[in-house]
Amino acid sequence: KAGVTQTPRYLIKTRGQQVTLSCSPISGHRSVSWYQQTPGQGLQFLFEYFSETQRNKGNFPGRFSGRQFSNSRSEMNVSTLELGDSALYLCASRDPTENEQFFGPGTRLTVL
Amino acid sequence: EDQVTQSPEALRLQEGESSSLNCSYTVSGLRGLFWYRQDPGKGPEFLFTLYSAGEEKEKERLKATLTKKESFLHITAPKPEDSATYLCAVGGGSYIPTFGRGTSLIVHP
Repeated sequence: KAGVTQTPRYLIKTRGQQVTLSCSPISGHRSVSWYQQTPGQGLQFLFEYFSETQRNKGNFPGRFSGRQFSNSRSEMNVSTLELGDSALYLCASRDPTENEQFFGPGTRLTVL
Repeated sequence: EDQVTQSPEALRLQEGESSSLNCSYTVSGLRGLFWYRQDPGKGPEFLFTLYSAGEEKEKERLKATLTKKESFLHITAPKPEDSATYLCAVGGGSYIPTFGRGTSLIVHP
């Protein structure tokens, strides 16, 4: 089975811009979660989608949003970028009948 | 609120020098304790899931064990390629795993 894929792998944006990141889960996995990873805060949960519905949401401002499509692919959007949004954004997929999450390679976002 | 504390933050070993990483946790309704390995600039790679106290799982030079309050990741005769950050996470009633800050392991040849 192919693993979780994320595009793009690297992004450079400037403050105030917006960005959209994409994630394709493992085939058959209908749950997709997004995380932000920084050296200072570690891995922080953003949100989880299941069957096109947001099921859980972490403690992030409304500038962070996401969606899931009928084929389980997911996108997350960050509007009005701030310097502090520079991070590795990770997507993880899960078979709803299992507990393990499998991560993609991440998108490295740099905000200048 | 679920909590995970990993120690030590960093560990340097000589090749062949066995050691253990610790993961202490508090969780309401443990659905699973997870270990991941993460190489720099990459996503975490799943290693193990443990579900109940007393459970053990092994993979090559790694063995994970679980008690009611903590988990250990034992590394036997490590090699330089075992150098990575090892992350522990617990899944509780909310299904959202809580991650620790990780242990950065460096194995010198």
